[in-house]
Amino acid sequence: NAGVTQTPKFQVLKTGQSMTLQCAQDMNHEYMSWYRQDPGMGLRLIHYSVGAGITDQGEVPNGYNVSRSTTEDFPLRLLSAAPSQTSVYFCASSISGGWGTEAFFGQGTRLTVV
Amino acid sequence: AQTVTQSQPEMSVQEAETVTLSCTYDTSESNYYLFWYKQPPSRQMILVIRQEAYKQQNATENRFSVNFQKAAKSFSLKISDSQLGDTAMYFCAFSGSNYKLTFGKGTLLTVNP
Repeated sequence: NAGVTQTPKFQVLKTGQSMTLQCAQDMNHEYMSWYRQDPGMGLRLIHYSVGAGITDQGEVPNGYNVSRSTTEDFPLRLLSAAPSQTSVYFCASSISGGWGTEAFFGQGTRLTVV
Repeated sequence: AQTVTQSQPEMSVQEAETVTLSCTYDTSESNYYLFWYKQPPSRQMILVIRQEAYKQQNATENRFSVNFQKAAKSFSLKISDSQLGDTAMYFCAFSGSNYKLTFGKGTLLTVNP
């Protein structure tokens, strides 16, 4: 049981490049989400999904796309990377939408856009 | 929209002493959950403690306890007998009926030997 697995752990992109951050969970959790963590800002919700085929925007969705074709996977796509997207990204999952249940987090991806 | 405020960006405490981290929140909902998450230097987010708003009894997990004041919308975390391994960033978080977790900006706690 690996929990929530994020890949890669570190990435450097050039401005304008695109990439996909991978997130997979093996706990059969319905709810998955992506956060970005910036110094002094806490964690801010980018996108979330309440189940396969259903996604919605969070607090800071601009510049990011998501899809949820399976229960296990929830990739985050950066369409055209910008320096403002330099951050640490976390994927999380929980059983039922985070309502009172523990969110399990991946180990994060440190992304630098130059 | 809910907001979560942690007014102490940094705190320090001596090993074996007690420290309290503050958190206030704003919501119009009557039932919700509050959490404290710990993020050590490894970057891994770890749930420390959870409190349901309908439960008047304060949650406790070993050396960690909360002081939940619903009317004041306050949710502080007390760490007793602080240990070096408690050095971490601590985040207060709110979860309401929209199922989203809203985090505060965090408090960096350093435990000194």
